[in-house]
Parts: sequence; structure tokens; C-alpha cells
Amino acid sequence: EDKVVQSPLSLVVHEGDTVTLNCSYEVTNFRSLLWYKQEKKAPTFLFMLTSSGIEKKSGRLSSILDKKELSSILNITATQTGDSAIYLCAVETSINEKLTFGTGTRLTIIP
Amino acid sequence: NAGVTQTPKFQVLKTGQSMTLQCAQDMNHEYMSWYRQDPGMGLRLIHYSVGAGITDQGEVPNGYNVSRSTTEDFPLRLLSAAPSQTSVYFCASKGQGVSEKLFFGSGTQLSVL
Repeated sequence: EDKVVQSPLSLVVHEGDTVTLNCSYEVTNFRSLLWYKQEKKAPTFLFMLTSSGIEKKSGRLSSILDKKELSSILNITATQTGDSAIYLCAVETSINEKLTFGTGTRLTIIP
Repeated sequence: NAGVTQTPKFQVLKTGQSMTLQCAQDMNHEYMSWYRQDPGMGLRLIHYSVGAGITDQGEVPNGYNVSRSTTEDFPLRLLSAAPSQTSVYFCASKGQGVSEKLFFGSGTQLSVL
């Protein structure tokens, strides 16, 4: 059974801090790993990491895929209150294109 | 281009009632899926489809039925609602290929009393 585990489950930091969110996975026939941000309703896409693209960066957010360790991290530098959200990690398999999500990390930024 | 459209946005059912959550996409995506989200549980896959006429079970399929008669539509049926099915439901779709991301509908808040 495919498995995606995120840590920590919850994180509270002060504005301006840097945070690192973790995602580890056990899946058959890994294809890609995706990060999503969920604020009020539907998740919004952040990054996709594959064997040919193991590092992505957008502004203060960056993510790295470690295929040897079967894990990924999402870094957010100089955090702002608008970064408060649930961050979801998902892994896609190549057999059936199924995406399995982790439980998410709830990030709270205190002004 | 509306993307993924889910209806209704809110629904209250009594135990034992049946209903269908509708999902439609206009992006010609082959892959469609249904997730439920409960507090502290992330998104759990209910059913998914890789094309018209093809469906498969996810992690938590019990109590739900799906069908995929067209590329555009992927309805989720609750045959006999139970309080354990109180949740937020998301429909999502994506195109085929390695670099295709998942697009989500706006969600349905379902309460079963």
C-alpha cells in the first residue's frame, strides 16, 4: 500500500522565521512528488518534483527531492502571515497515475 | 474555461439518504478522482478514473460508487449516507503525462445527521 508521511503535523513560528517541512514516501513505481498549499478551501499547486527535476524554487519557497532517502523538504524563508496554511505533499505512481496525499502540516505564522 | 466544477457546495443529509455529488471538468483531462478530507487526516482517495469507462478504488471506497460515462463527468454516489461520511469532498482532475498537476474543484461540505 502506498504511504506518504509528513512531519511535523503542526508548526507555529514567528513572522520572519525560516521553516522546513518534511515528506517521506513508500510507493511502488514513483513518478513525481507534488506540494500543495491549502488555505481556506481547495489546495493550490506549489511544486512538482520528478527524477529529472529534483529542485524547485519560487520566491521564498523552495523544495528538494531526495530519491535515495525517498523524501522531500519544503523550505519557506522569511515567513509571512500569509504563509499560514496547511501544506500537503502528494506522490504519484506511474502504474495508474494515482496520487496519494500525506496528512499535511498545519503551519501558523505569528505576527 | 471553468476548470473543475463541483456541486453542491454544501449539503445536509439524514442517515440512510442517498445523493450524488457532481463533478465536471472542461480541460479534456483523462484522469479524475474524488478525495475526502477530515480534520487531521489530509486528503484520502475514494475512487479515481484514468478515462471514460474505467474506474478504480482508492484508500476509502466503502459506501461510495462512481461511474465515468464521459470524459467530462465523474459523479460520486452515496448510496446510504452514514454520519461517518460527514466530511469535505474534493474532486480533482489532471491530464496524462509526467508533468501534469492535479486541479481541484472548490469542494463540497457534507454533513450527515
